[in-house]
Amino acid sequence: GESVGLHLPTLSVQEGDNSIINCAYSNSASDYFIWYKQESGKGPQFIIDIRSNMDKRQGQRVTVLLNKTVKHLSLQIAATQPGDSAVYFCAESIYGQNFVFGPGTRLSVLP
Amino acid sequence: GAVVSQHPSWVICKSGTSVKIECRSLDFQATTMFWYRQFPKQSLMLMATSNEGSKATYEQGVEKDKFLINHASLTLSTLTVTSAHPEDSSFYICSASEGGAGEQYFGPGTRLTVT
Repeated sequence: GESVGLHLPTLSVQEGDNSIINCAYSNSASDYFIWYKQESGKGPQFIIDIRSNMDKRQGQRVTVLLNKTVKHLSLQIAATQPGDSAVYFCAESIYGQNFVFGPGTRLSVLP
Repeated sequence: GAVVSQHPSWVICKSGTSVKIECRSLDFQATTMFWYRQFPKQSLMLMATSNEGSKATYEQGVEKDKFLINHASLTLSTLTVTSAHPEDSSFYICSASEGGAGEQYFGPGTRLTVT
């Protein structure tokens, strides 16, 4: 049968508010990071990436912040919409090789 | 954008049988393909990395004789779960990359249920 997994941390936000999802990464040598969105029963979907020579990168409605000093990554979603409800994973890698995924955060958007 | 497909999307098999899962890059050449496994409410765990024409590199703890990976062309990689058991039931996801420090494009995943 299927294994019982860890309970995912959940972030609940009101529709229209901004969301901030945090991620602590493990390897100080990691130099490339990606945020993925995964809807139930589907594969991960690329949202935004950032390299270690940057501390901020903006996309459409999303911003990724990188703090290498404390090995912390965050994803900010502006004006959160119901379609943003999903599990969000950060992934770290060294030169794009062997991505290691974080545990994930479930984002629930409340009407 | 780059599209990666997987087939089948869901497979139910009996314990002891083998199952093959295909991963295809539809509009680009994937020099590297990755296979992940994801249990419910858990993150993706990398199983192996395969480069076209080379043997796959398996992560620690992944049995290479049980999870056979073939990357025979720049657009196709296959994962065969041999002698499947119920504990192999999981969501298997592949991703493909054109190489270098580039983005990985993920397939939709294959749900394997072993009865």
